[in-house]
Amino acid sequence: DQQVKQNSPSLSVQEGRISILNCDYTNSMFDYFLWYKKYPAEGPTFLISISSIKDKNEDGRFTVFLNKSAKHLSLHIVPSQPGDSAVYFCAASGDTGTASKLTFGTGTRLQVTL
Amino acid sequence: ETGVTQSPTHLIKTRGQQVTLRCSSQSGHNTVSWYQQALGQGPQFIFQYYREEENGRGNFPPRFSGLQFPNYSSELNVNALELDDSALYLCASSFGGRYTEAFFGQGTRLTVV
Repeated sequence: DQQVKQNSPSLSVQEGRISILNCDYTNSMFDYFLWYKKYPAEGPTFLISISSIKDKNEDGRFTVFLNKSAKHLSLHIVPSQPGDSAVYFCAASGDTGTASKLTFGTGTRLQVTL
Repeated sequence: ETGVTQSPTHLIKTRGQQVTLRCSSQSGHNTVSWYQQALGQGPQFIFQYYREEENGRGNFPPRFSGLQFPNYSSELNVNALELDDSALYLCASSFGGRYTEAFFGQGTRLTVV
């Protein structure tokens, strides 16, 4: 049972354009959502998070939007840069009392082309 | 401030053997979690330790066990290795609060042959 879904395994975007990565979840108990970026042979790197009391959070070129009624979140990267090419994971927590027990999606591979 | 470090980076074991993986938490973090990432999948939660006590466990059998030490470093032990245990094992540390991000190490690539 995949509680966090990233339905696009890959995405290709031109440098300078907007990248939009999507994530859906099914567990209504999730109340904290995170995005991680992963390069090959490295561990995931935290990018940005949002709690369920907000619908938007910005950090520089990265913005995360949360639509609780649709159980959907998205990560916008503007402008996209070649160094953004990586696998992006959506993660969620909150369905248990365990702090930072994260449920991950399967990832979206972003390629930013010149 | 040092980040999360894991050792070893790569390991090859034979089916049926036992393995111990190690993790040093980021300075100041009191919570450590372990994840298994199979090829093409997202990380799967194994268990979490908070102040040396197990604080939640995912859907993994008892042959996956762990420890957290007073300095908040941690070990993951896997007994009776199976071929399907081949994966990237990730350690993550955090402050333990409900809405805090976890910081990951680079992982240990375990291959079971």
